[in-house]
Amino acid sequence: SYVLPQPPSVSVAPGETARITCERNNIGLRGVHWYQQKPGQAPLLVIYFNSDRPSGVPERFSGSNSGNTATLTISRVEAGDEADYYCQVWDSRFAGVFGGGTRLTVL
Amino acid sequence: EVRLVESGGGLIQPGGTLRLSCAASGFSVNSNYMSWVRQAPGKGLEWVSVIYSGGSTYYADAVKGRFTISRDQSQNTLSLQMNSLSAEDTAIYYCARTDYSDYYFDYWGQGTLVTVSS
Repeated sequence: SYVLPQPPSVSVAPGETARITCERNNIGLRGVHWYQQKPGQAPLLVIYFNSDRPSGVPERFSGSNSGNTATLTISRVEAGDEADYYCQVWDSRFAGVFGGGTRLTVL
Repeated sequence: EVRLVESGGGLIQPGGTLRLSCAASGFSVNSNYMSWVRQAPGKGLEWVSVIYSGGSTYYADAVKGRFTISRDQSQNTLSLQMNSLSAEDTAIYYCARTDYSDYYFDYWGQGTLVTVSS
């Protein structure tokens, strides 16, 4: 199997925009999904199929996917957004594949 | 309301067996795709297994031949039978409902901790 590369950490000040990337050759041809995980909690789906947002997830969370990079964007970052974020795809050979995770720190 | 509650975790010796359960409410386990995902202490998420609504099952290479996923329609539960456990299997195990079209995990349980140690 394999792990999708993500930056280990991203730091932003409150009110700024955070961008977390997930890279793979031709990932733009796949559906990419994103999860937020706060300490001691189960993961929470925040973006599915590249850019769709489940009900209850703030509009500040958005996603894009093109070429070799998928991106989770969090606008107007708040202290409560501090968490680990994981991307995920479904591979025809390896099934569920996750990214290595990115720790978002709000300064 | 969709809810998933895992149970069955604990401390087990290397080479031992354990069976995890996931009780679902608010939807039918039998009519949905269901997965197990695990997370070793301080590590990232790792997909373990999936069962499709039609009954087909698939496993990560790391657990193939040792783990078996199944479901009980009458109890509306998902299970994971784990044999020949090793320290590398130590993790929190989450059950998750899996979207059948785009294969994302839309609902997760709170997880159950499995510790393999002598």
